[in-house]
Amino acid sequence: DTAVSQTPKYLVTQMGNDKSIKCEQNLGHDTMYWYKQDSKKFLKIMFSYNNKELIINETVPNRFSPKSPDKAHLNLHINSLELGDSAVYFCASSLRLAGDEQFFGPGTRLTVL
Amino acid sequence: AQSVTQPDIHITVSEGASLELRCNYSYGATPYLFWYVQSPGQGLQLLLKYFSGDTLVQGIKGFEAEFKRSQSSFNLRKPSVHWSDAAEYFCAVGGFNNDMRFGAGTRLTVKP
Repeated sequence: DTAVSQTPKYLVTQMGNDKSIKCEQNLGHDTMYWYKQDSKKFLKIMFSYNNKELIINETVPNRFSPKSPDKAHLNLHINSLELGDSAVYFCASSLRLAGDEQFFGPGTRLTVL
Repeated sequence: AQSVTQPDIHITVSEGASLELRCNYSYGATPYLFWYVQSPGQGLQLLLKYFSGDTLVQGIKGFEAEFKRSQSSFNLRKPSVHWSDAAEYFCAVGGFNNDMRFGAGTRLTVKP
């Protein structure tokens, strides 16, 4: 059984388009996250939600909007895609906030042409 | 704010040799420290973590790490590396909100 799943795995799109990435976890965790991994493998947190409430919102362009319909899902919607948005996006979840292990999804490779 | 430094971008070791990957952190309080491994095209998998207590922690796949508060370090070690250990390794520090900060990663290559 997949613990943290993301769809799609690959996403190729044109500049200016709007796209969404979906994330689901079946671990019963309270907290979910989105990370961006750039071409140099650097991982940076973008958002975290705890019980559907936004907890962390790093300095991310407001073209990125997370949506958490319930505790098990955290989707990422990106408007007006730019070349610099090309990266691998990882979803993760943890049981609680402080100090718990985060379980990562397989990633979504976004390529903006 | 917390931060993590992994001084070595790329390390090559021979199969069967010992391994040590360095990690230094900056955090005002007692940190939550983690090591994750990422195989090519995969997500991240937790190797081990430190919260408190014994400063030498054991993880999966034969890895261990030692927390040294005086040196602000949390180095990862393995006595004998296997070819399957070739991957990217990330050290991370977690804060109160579990806003985990990752190091830049160390790529491990294993020579036959």
